Amino acid sequence: DARVTQTPRHKVTEMGQEVTMRCQPILGHNTVFWYRQTMMQGLELLAYFRNRAPLDDSGMPKDRFSAEMPDATLATLKIQPSEPRDSAVYFCASGLVRVADGNQPQHFGDGTRLSIL
Amino acid sequence: QQPVQSPQAVILREGEDAVINCSSSKALYSVHWYRQKHGEAPVFLMILLKGGEQKGHEKISASFNEKKQQSSLYLTASQLSYSGTYFCGTEITRGGSEKLVFGKGTKLTVNP
Repeated sequence: DARVTQTPRHKVTEMGQEVTMRCQPILGHNTVFWYRQTMMQGLELLAYFRNRAPLDDSGMPKDRFSAEMPDATLATLKIQPSEPRDSAVYFCASGLVRVADGNQPQHFGDGTRLSIL
Repeated sequence: QQPVQSPQAVILREGEDAVINCSSSKALYSVHWYRQKHGEAPVFLMILLKGGEQKGHEKISASFNEKKQQSSLYLTASQLSYSGTYFCGTEITRGGSEKLVFGKGTKLTVNP
């Protein structure tokens, strides 16, 4: 089965350090989403891309977070500088969205569990 | 804008039924349902579109009531494997955006 691959699976680092999370979407999928999951807020959409172009990053703190898709097989989410409140599970999901077909499932990766000390 | 799920948690014995509701303050185009087991990724269950069409996945089905801006997930004759947290994700625009807003989830525990 095709899967979304995220690395690293776990990351523990100190406040102020740069954190980079990577995602390899399912081959052929044209839409990539970044979510953050916490107990308090649940699953929050941070940003998403269609055909590598950013469509919406309104859920992301712009001063410290950045998301890019350098090529069709790689999406990155960076935090610089990191803060303890950024501790969460970060999920990447991908999907194949065609306007004619409408809604399609999102396939989630296993997530990156991030702890900022 | 975040949909409200109810109940927040439910405990069942194997074989019992449950209903999970997802309500929105905005008109919806579609509702997606996902299940997440502890420590794992959310897994897609089904999509409900405008029109009230009921969908099914094994013994799990769902409905979508446009007028009430609500979707309900029905779990029939629950199995131990149904345990997990169920999330609804709502889409308010038709445009292929696939941008979903997720509820906070309903934790389902099925005991033997």
